[in-house]
Amino acid sequence: QISLKESGPTLVKPTQTLTLTCTFSGFSLSTIGSVGWIRQPPGKALEWLALIYWDDDKRYTPSLKSRLTITKDTSKNQVVLTMTNMDPVDTATYFCARGAQQQVAGWWYNYMDVWGKGTTVTVSS
Amino acid sequence: DIQMTQSPSSLSASVGDRVNITCRASQSIRSNLNWYQQKLGETPKVLIYAASSLQSGVPSRFSGSGSGTDFTLTISSLQPEDFATYYCQQSFSIFTFGGGTKVEMK
Repeated sequence: QISLKESGPTLVKPTQTLTLTCTFSGFSLSTIGSVGWIRQPPGKALEWLALIYWDDDKRYTPSLKSRLTITKDTSKNQVVLTMTNMDPVDTATYFCARGAQQQVAGWWYNYMDVWGKGTTVTVSS
Repeated sequence: DIQMTQSPSSLSASVGDRVNITCRASQSIRSNLNWYQQKLGETPKVLIYAASSLQSGVPSRFSGSGSGTDFTLTISSLQPEDFATYYCQQSFSIFTFGGGTKVEMK
């Protein structure tokens, strides 16, 4: 059974760096696949943040690229997201999710198939 | 960046209604379009990938269509458990979500 679980601080101060950990089970990032991070401010839409592939290739949303770093520890089945210079507008629920690929009519398509329950982060002094 | 625009942002419907939600991309994304359902307080769940492929375990009343820049999610006969917010997501160039469509009870 595949599962993911986010962990990290619930409260951070403005200008601080946020570090979130996604611990997963039921699959491995050693030879295939990807894990991504998505956030959702209270009452607002989902926002995709970052993705890391099994081969350590990384992708970031352009608007936050300068503040984000995604890494993985394959031996621990963990993916870590750091976000620098936190601001109250970064208050949100942060989700990690497994990246899936399916082939349809000869083309590969990507989506997020299993999500963690999310962790709520509040940015306030 | 590819922008995704959903419409409407909310709609009211009754059980049994046919519901259509549209999603428009700012440039062609071919068929790299996914649909997710998020119920209040819950985690998003993928319904459709590759614009029209039904994820395993998802009821057949959900369907997706479109390619290029214009896409539609259709619920053929709305059920009580379908009242939720729906998001489109492009996967042509990394990922971007649309703003969401909230389906409420009339």
